[in-house]
Amino acid sequence: VQLVESGGGLAKPGGSLRLSCEGSGFTFSDYFMAWVRQPPGKGLEWVSYITSEGVTMHYADSVRGRFTVSRDNAKNSLFLEMDNLRVEDTAVYFCARDSFYNGRPEFAHWGQGVLVTVSS
Amino acid sequence: QLVVTQSPSASASLGASVKLTCTLSSGQSTYAIAWHQQQPGKGPRYVMTINSDGSHTKGEGTPDRFSSSGSGAERNLIISSLQSEDEGEYYCQTWGPGVRVFGGGTKVTVL
Repeated sequence: VQLVESGGGLAKPGGSLRLSCEGSGFTFSDYFMAWVRQPPGKGLEWVSYITSEGVTMHYADSVRGRFTVSRDNAKNSLFLEMDNLRVEDTAVYFCARDSFYNGRPEFAHWGQGVLVTVSS
Repeated sequence: QLVVTQSPSASASLGASVKLTCTLSSGQSTYAIAWHQQQPGKGPRYVMTINSDGSHTKGEGTPDRFSSSGSGAERNLIISSLQSEDEGEYYCQTWGPGVRVFGGGTKVTVL
């Protein structure tokens, strides 16, 4: 199982960035997928998850209305569109393989993370 | 509200054992929890899942000296024969309907 994130970088407050995560070594469409972030020197914070078919999405209160999670199962890819970025969104963003489609709880695989810096 | 609580720190001597505790919020004891390890400067790595009945499932690379105890609201990760590479932050995590929750982390120091 491998998860590889891309798309991080520097953005100005109010700006946008799009993160991608490509999965391999497993049947991507069988699993929920999640985004988790870690601000510098702080703990892990769940951001969002999306169900296996991409029908239902959930967000942390801190990002709801500004971030949008999506997936393309044909390309084994997960995305996070981040709009109206704030300085406090600065963090390393990880994608993770979440639960199996039948509800069996899992969080057993993580990507290497990608740094997002929001600064003027 | 679904919350998981961890002690901020734990320490033990090289070769000894250490127990980390994760406590689910009141009324939420039926949820499974997972433990994740984060060594300094690295990304998180999954350790194990502990179910409400106390049964557990380990990750593929999790050494045998990692075990669990507890059931109900309190789920413990036990690290035996503590090694220097066990030093780092350990996060408890759970799954709720429409939400995933992480604890604040427990910093493990090997003396």
